Amino acid sequence: QVQLQESGPGLVKPSETLSLTCTVSGGSIRSFYWNWIRQPPGKGLEWIGYIYYSGITNYNPSLMSRVTMSVDTSKNQFSLKLSSVTAADTAVYYCATAAEAYNWFGPWGQGILVTVSS
Amino acid sequence: DIVMTQSPDSLAVSLGERATINCKSSQSVLYSSNNNNYLAWYQQKPGQPPKLLLYWASTRESGVPDRFSGSGSGTDFTLTISSLQAEDVAVYYCQQYYSLPHTFGQGTKLEIK
Repeated sequence: QVQLQESGPGLVKPSETLSLTCTVSGGSIRSFYWNWIRQPPGKGLEWIGYIYYSGITNYNPSLMSRVTMSVDTSKNQFSLKLSSVTAADTAVYYCATAAEAYNWFGPWGQGILVTVSS
Repeated sequence: DIVMTQSPDSLAVSLGERATINCKSSQSVLYSSNNNNYLAWYQQKPGQPPKLLLYWASTRESGVPDRFSGSGSGTDFTLTISSLQAEDVAVYYCQQYYSLPHTFGQGTKLEIK
């Protein structure tokens, strides 16, 4: 069973760039679609986008201008960068896998809370 | 974007009773070429990531108790818990994967009455 673990800073200053990494274990990153999903405290879920191991990406139009995803197959990791953050970007960020681009999500990482504050 | 709307926002049900959560999509998520509804249900407990319960609207994920069932087609879907257990207290989300961006319902909080 594939397992995912998010890592990165828990605190980011406004206007700076949020950077997170998801490490995949128990399986190869050369399979599946690798997604980022976020959840503001006490609120619902928002899909940020996905990356395929080949580098193909698809981002939510609501965040597209600020999102960059990348993959490192040698480390079995994929990453998220979100630029020009504001307090509205404070959320638990999850990485999750999907078998296809148009598919349900699972498994998920445990999530990492990122707070945007000076 | 496809907008997913769940009802009710919160629900209190007695132990052993049936719980029903509805999900409506702003456009059909039924793909006519394969007759599959591109809809999933998740359960989220406090401090945990969402857990997949059902996909294709009614197919249970491995290990999910059979008291959880899904129904519906097109734009209207239902998650039913046939006999509520204490461990079912959670927030439940529907998600469409028919088109990008993937979108979720706002969540339904299920509590014990």
